[in-house]
Amino acid sequence: DSGVTQTPKHLITATGQRVTLRCSPRSGDLSVYWYQQSLDQGLQFLIQYYNGEERAKGNILERFSAQQFPDLHSELNLSSLELGDSALYFCASSVNPSGQETQYFGPGTRLLVL
Amino acid sequence: ELKVEQNPLFLSMQEGKNYTIYCNYSTTSDRLYWYRQDPGKSLESLFVLLSNGAVKQEGRLMASLDTKARLSTLHITAAVHDLSATYFCAALRPSNYQLIWGAGTKLIIKP
Repeated sequence: DSGVTQTPKHLITATGQRVTLRCSPRSGDLSVYWYQQSLDQGLQFLIQYYNGEERAKGNILERFSAQQFPDLHSELNLSSLELGDSALYFCASSVNPSGQETQYFGPGTRLLVL
Repeated sequence: ELKVEQNPLFLSMQEGKNYTIYCNYSTTSDRLYWYRQDPGKSLESLFVLLSNGAVKQEGRLMASLDTKARLSTLHITAAVHDLSATYFCAALRPSNYQLIWGAGTKLIIKP
């Protein structure tokens, strides 16, 4: 158990809908990362937050957005969902924002868009 | 642009054998990470390699880094079934400290 929690574990929804994925980092970690893992794209970095502020952006679609709250938990919002958004979404956390430390991954949220 | 390539992408081997997974990266990187992922599960950190010549070992797994060759290896010694998993390497992009991931090596170890 990495200490990173994610909810829900599974999510089934329809195209065009909007969902919110939630992540709580390890105690003491200020940085949160979101990743998407799919069979065709592999593991893709989406976005990073550090202590409430956006730190880095990766291959995140405009339909997706995220935020980190004062209690350091983070939410990833996915809207206008498409079939291709079906994937495993991971949250990871680390103490510092530099990315030089080990990132600890949560159990993931499996999203299925029908 | 930093790119990371792993090979092989799939490896089936017998218990007791030795094998190596290779991770090549295309441009300078400050550090190299290895992770393990069991089917349907999360990613578990195995090693962080910080400098040229770094070698780390944990049980039957040993990772090394050659920054001049831009190559990291994950060596499996006397494989056991429990090591069956997908192994990922990731290189740190110096410009923005993002992790760039390899495609993963799916390792199946047969009893």
